[in-house]
Amino acid sequence: DGGITQSPKYLFRKEGQNVTLSCEQNLNHDAMYWYRQDPGQGLRLIYYSQIVNDFQKGDIAEGYSVSREKKESFPLTVTSAQKNPTAFYLCASSTLAGANTGELFFGEGSRLTVL
Amino acid sequence: GESVGLHLPTLSVQEGDNSIINCAYSNSASDYFIWYKQESGKGPQFIIDIRSNMDKRQGQRVTVLLNKTVKHLSLQIAATQPGDSAVYFCAENSPNDYKLSFGAGTTVTVRA
Repeated sequence: DGGITQSPKYLFRKEGQNVTLSCEQNLNHDAMYWYRQDPGQGLRLIYYSQIVNDFQKGDIAEGYSVSREKKESFPLTVTSAQKNPTAFYLCASSTLAGANTGELFFGEGSRLTVL
Repeated sequence: GESVGLHLPTLSVQEGDNSIINCAYSNSASDYFIWYKQESGKGPQFIIDIRSNMDKRQGQRVTVLLNKTVKHLSLQIAATQPGDSAVYFCAENSPNDYKLSFGAGTTVTVRA
């Protein structure tokens, strides 16, 4: 089945450690996104990519890094520089036309907890 | 600050009643609006969208209304069912902007 897959679903990290969240899609979408969700708040954009080997910072990119070496994959690294990393992370993808209209397809999310 | 927001963080609805979820936005340049539904522990799912050249759009049991004069968006759910319990987000997109701005969400709880 076509879709977007995030892993792991739950992740625990000690302070000072980097952690990488995986996002894979087989929808042949050009654009991919990472959002962060905190309780009682809307989704905030971390990074997005419209094409392989290119990506742009979103509204809250500090403390995060991404790569887009393959069209299907857009991993997010939460670095030790991120001061408040405990959150629910959502990956999404869209066609470029969909990106301009906003129809995103979301994964099921990864919940990161820093101990 | 955020350009999109919802009026109420929670909404409790009796099963079978209609639900109305409201959203206000501040960016006059926004030309496309979307409603997403997020069930517990899952990613948001697209419900319905509307362009700024429309005032109303209907889907299956859902209707989106857009009032550009007061920058207000609403989602109406007819005959609310237990499966409608979720967090509902409105989001907006401006021309040639490849990213969405999301509101804080309204948690809808359906009472049996």
